Amino acid sequence: EAGVAQSPRYKIIEKRQSVAFWCNPISGHATLYWYQQILGQGPKLLIQFQNNGVVDDSQLPKDRFSAERLKGVDSTLKIQPAKLEDSAVYLCASSQQPSFNEKLFFGSGTQLSVL
Amino acid sequence: DAKTTQPPSMDCAEGRAANLPCNHSTISGNEYVYWYRQIHSQGPQYIIHGLKNNETNEMASLIITEDRKSSTLILPHATLRDTAVYYCIASLDQFYFGTGTSLTVIP
Repeated sequence: EAGVAQSPRYKIIEKRQSVAFWCNPISGHATLYWYQQILGQGPKLLIQFQNNGVVDDSQLPKDRFSAERLKGVDSTLKIQPAKLEDSAVYLCASSQQPSFNEKLFFGSGTQLSVL
Repeated sequence: DAKTTQPPSMDCAEGRAANLPCNHSTISGNEYVYWYRQIHSQGPQYIIHGLKNNETNEMASLIITEDRKSSTLILPHATLRDTAVYYCIASLDQFYFGTGTSLTVIP
């Protein structure tokens, strides 16, 4: 079974530039999550999708971050414009359903460095 | 989601059992206890979860106290590959990670 795919693996940009990350969840998984992990901290949930609808985006900085999940499969997370404090690993995860008793499967993440 | 409290770090001798505690005193009756681990430079990996009863799988055992206010993850025979950050989450359907416990397995 193929896992959660993310690209790119690494990205270096200057502050005020834009950047986008892509995620392809496990086939058939309805729920998709984006997390931000700053060095030394646990992953922070940014947004949760159920199919192509947003379930929770309460921690997404909406002035600069946006995410979409077209057709309920792939997802992109965009930052525009980037700030120094956005340097982090961006993790995508998926699960079959959003409800309890489900396990999350994570991708390897995209490491973003903002200079 | 209930707040969880874990020790920031622990050591364990290779071959010994690693017992990782988690406090979740405000857990509600329908929230599950999940454990994930994260090896350096990788995404978190699911280990085990449970509601009330103790659980065991090929990776670990989960012991939940009768009042459900705390739990212990047991790695029965720790290896060097078990060195990782271990996260305990008490949740119904959303997964908020804390800072976890950094486990170091010592040769």
